[in-house]
Amino acid sequence: QKEVEQNSGPLSVPEGAIASLNCTYSDRGSQSFFWYRQYSGKSPELIMFIYSNGDKEDGRFTAQLNKASQYVSLLIRDSQPSDSATYLCAVTGDAGNNRKLIWGLGTSLAVNP
Amino acid sequence: ETGVTQTPRHLVMGMTNKKSLKCEQHLGHNAMYWYKQSAKKPLELMFVYNFKEQTENNSVPSRFSPECPNSSHLFLHLHTLQPEDSALYLCASSQAPNDGYTFGSGTRLTVV
Repeated sequence: QKEVEQNSGPLSVPEGAIASLNCTYSDRGSQSFFWYRQYSGKSPELIMFIYSNGDKEDGRFTAQLNKASQYVSLLIRDSQPSDSATYLCAVTGDAGNNRKLIWGLGTSLAVNP
Repeated sequence: ETGVTQTPRHLVMGMTNKKSLKCEQHLGHNAMYWYKQSAKKPLELMFVYNFKEQTENNSVPSRFSPECPNSSHLFLHLHTLQPEDSALYLCASSQAPNDGYTFGSGTRLTVV
């Protein structure tokens, strides 16, 4: 059973701090990694994707991928109350699994003013 | 109209009703998806269409019937649903299968 695991939280950080969200996955053949943000009562929204080991930065967001350790993380710098949401990690399976997207349950983030 | 549009936003139906969910994407994407989102569960993939051909049916009960007349439109026909089918149904599209998705706003379905 291919799995993606996230700490459900809630992760609580003060405004202006760095929020660190982590995701581990079981399929060593995974190749594409995505972070989605979902506000309460809304649909998920793609915020970052990463394919290669290392860091990828986009504004206040940085995705970090370590394939050897099978984890991907999302850092949010200068956290704002508007960042309060659930963050979903999604990982494509390997070719034998038809590269299906496998989803985590999400981590709830609360940024306190 | 931009992005992915889903209608209706909310739907309450009895177990003997027949209803349809509609999804339209204005992004020129080639792949479209139906997902089910329930509390305390990961997103569940239901169906995948690529270039309007169904490429995946994730063991979905036959009371859910998808239809994809073209690459821009996707329907989910609902018939004799059960209360446990109550959930948020999300449509998504992507340029290619398993690229990053753009989701619609979802249909909150309640089966009574």
